[in-house]
Amino acid sequence: GENVEQHPSTLSVQEGDSAVIKCTYSDSASNYFPWYKQELGKRPQLIIDIRSNVGEKKDQRIAVTLNKTAKHFSLHITETQPEDSAVYFCAVRGGGGADGLTFGKGTHLIIQP
Amino acid sequence: ETGVTQSPTHLIKTRGQQVTLRCSSQSGHNTVSWYQQALGQGPQFIFQYYREEENGRGNFPPRFSGLQFPNYSSELNVNALELDDSALYLCASSLRENTGELFFGEGSRLTVL
Repeated sequence: GENVEQHPSTLSVQEGDSAVIKCTYSDSASNYFPWYKQELGKRPQLIIDIRSNVGEKKDQRIAVTLNKTAKHFSLHITETQPEDSAVYFCAVRGGGGADGLTFGKGTHLIIQP
Repeated sequence: ETGVTQSPTHLIKTRGQQVTLRCSSQSGHNTVSWYQQALGQGPQFIFQYYREEENGRGNFPPRFSGLQFPNYSSELNVNALELDDSALYLCASSLRENTGELFFGEGSRLTVL
């Protein structure tokens, strides 16, 4: 089955700086790569996603890049703000037909004031 | 637009008991999937239902079963509860014909003693 590795597990940055979280996956047939943000005690919420036919996608301060050859994708958050503090999960949907998402173990992002 | 709702929000069971968790999908969505999220981990795919049939399953034993009803709501049943079943159970709905973006409920937190 699909294997998703996410790094780092904890990331602390100064407010206003950029944060980058990286994920690798194993199934070359995977075709959908979402990122979810989960605040303490809350539901995971989609913040950005990318499909396999695109290399980069941006939405205001958030961007995702995908390298299908190397099987890795990254989340970039610029000009970080206190409300960006949360746990971020990458996920992958394989091309094998099960349709479920395989999630990484999460990155706890801490924005230092 | 009504979001994904789950019940109950919290419950406590003892080992060997059975539990039923319920989910109402977001208006207009026809696909429901269930995930198990252990403390400090990413969600793990249990199974997915589309048109009242299971059409994808993760690495969970048969004592995890489900139903989807004609109104697209769903149930997750777990028999013979084990201590390791203690987790947050997340329901997510989506529109299969669309992007496949998942909309999560707030979850049901199950504690098995």
